[in-house]
Amino acid sequence: EVQLVESGGGLVQPGGSLRLSCAASGFTFNDYWMSWVRQAPGKGLECVANIKQDGSEKHYVDSVKGRFSISRDNAGNSLYLQMNSLRAEDTAVYYCVRGHYQLEVWGQGTTVTVSS
Amino acid sequence: EIVMTQSPATLSVSPGERATLSCRASQSVSSKLAWYQQKPGQAPRLLIYEVSTRATGIPARFSGSGSGTEFTLTISSLQSEDFAVYYCQQYNNWPPITFGQGTRLEIK
Repeated sequence: EVQLVESGGGLVQPGGSLRLSCAASGFTFNDYWMSWVRQAPGKGLECVANIKQDGSEKHYVDSVKGRFSISRDNAGNSLYLQMNSLRAEDTAVYYCVRGHYQLEVWGQGTTVTVSS
Repeated sequence: EIVMTQSPATLSVSPGERATLSCRASQSVSSKLAWYQQKPGQAPRLLIYEVSTRATGIPARFSGSGSGTEFTLTISSLQSEDFAVYYCQQYNNWPPITFGQGTRLEIK
């Protein structure tokens, strides 16, 4: 079964940091681009970052450039999102997603809350 | 960045009837258009990509059409499990991929 399981979310103060992880299983992880997509409470979807199969190419939405960093460990079938200098507007459910064009497989999401 | 606009924001339809959801792009996205379904408390699910190709396991009552800047998702005979929020997304002008704001499909 193809599966993505996120972890690492939680409550963090403004200016703080958090690292999200995503464990992939059921498919050949290093065959796929991977993405992080977030959804603020009651809002729509926003793709914040994606990474090529070998990690050689990464892209970020403007609102997180310089603060977030996407990475992957193909040997461990894992995807990461390092989030620094967090702001209230980063509060969202963060989804790990397979793909970067059409988003084929989604994890269940992990919730990040930025608040003092 | 391409802006995707969905209409209507909310659509009320009776079970068994047809639902038609619209998505407009601020500039041409060619055929690089996908649709997702999201139910409360769940992750989105890919329904359709390349305008009209159904993803694995998606029933035939879901169909997509359009090109350039105007797209439509049609659900031919609504089932109870189809009431959800639907998002369109372009991946022609990337990065970034961009989503519409969603259409809530509710029971009439």
